[in-house]
Amino acid sequence: AQSVTQPDIHITVSEGASLELRCNYSYGATPYLFWYVQSPGQGLQLLLKYFSGDTLVQGIKGFEAEFKRSQSSFNLRKPSVHWSDAAEYFCAVAFKAAGNKLTFGGGTRVLVKP
Amino acid sequence: DAMVIQNPRYQVTQFGKPVTLSCSQTLNHNVMYWYQQKSSQAPKLLFHYYDKDFNNEADTPDNFQSRRPNTSFCFLDIRSPGLGDAAMYLCATSRDSSGNPYEQYFGPGTRLTVT
Repeated sequence: AQSVTQPDIHITVSEGASLELRCNYSYGATPYLFWYVQSPGQGLQLLLKYFSGDTLVQGIKGFEAEFKRSQSSFNLRKPSVHWSDAAEYFCAVAFKAAGNKLTFGGGTRVLVKP
Repeated sequence: DAMVIQNPRYQVTQFGKPVTLSCSQTLNHNVMYWYQQKSSQAPKLLFHYYDKDFNNEADTPDNFQSRRPNTSFCFLDIRSPGLGDAAMYLCATSRDSSGNPYEQYFGPGTRLTVT
């Protein structure tokens, strides 16, 4: 069965600093990859997705992610964080063979220091 | 704006008292999902509808049921809520789940408290 790992449970970053969130998956087939953000008490908002093509994808709110097949990774980055980026971030994968159902990682909570 | 709407946003029910959560969508998506999300955890898929076809996850308790009377609406029924069912319940939709990949659009969630 596929699995998704987000190694960092919490990350604290200063406002204006860069941010990188790690995501690794395990499965043999080519995945469809997603990053979602969840503010407290809210639903999930899609930041970006990768289905095929250019492995560096741009998303909303200044985020980007890079798919590295050799490392089974899809890390999320932002060059300069804003206080409003404080939230929980979930990486998710889907596989056609599994009916395109999402499997989520455990999430990374990002705290932004002034 | 096209969207996924969940009502109510907050629901308090008593132990063992049936409760229904509602989801509606204006996206005209053919797939609707229900997730359970407990505090500080990832969402867990309970079941989904592909059009009118119901697909239950293997580990979803029988206490959880769902109805989809039409394309726009989907309900989550908890027949006898226990304290362990207190969670955020998220509804999501997507255009297709069997062929091409599509992203899922999530509603704001309903936070269920069981007293």
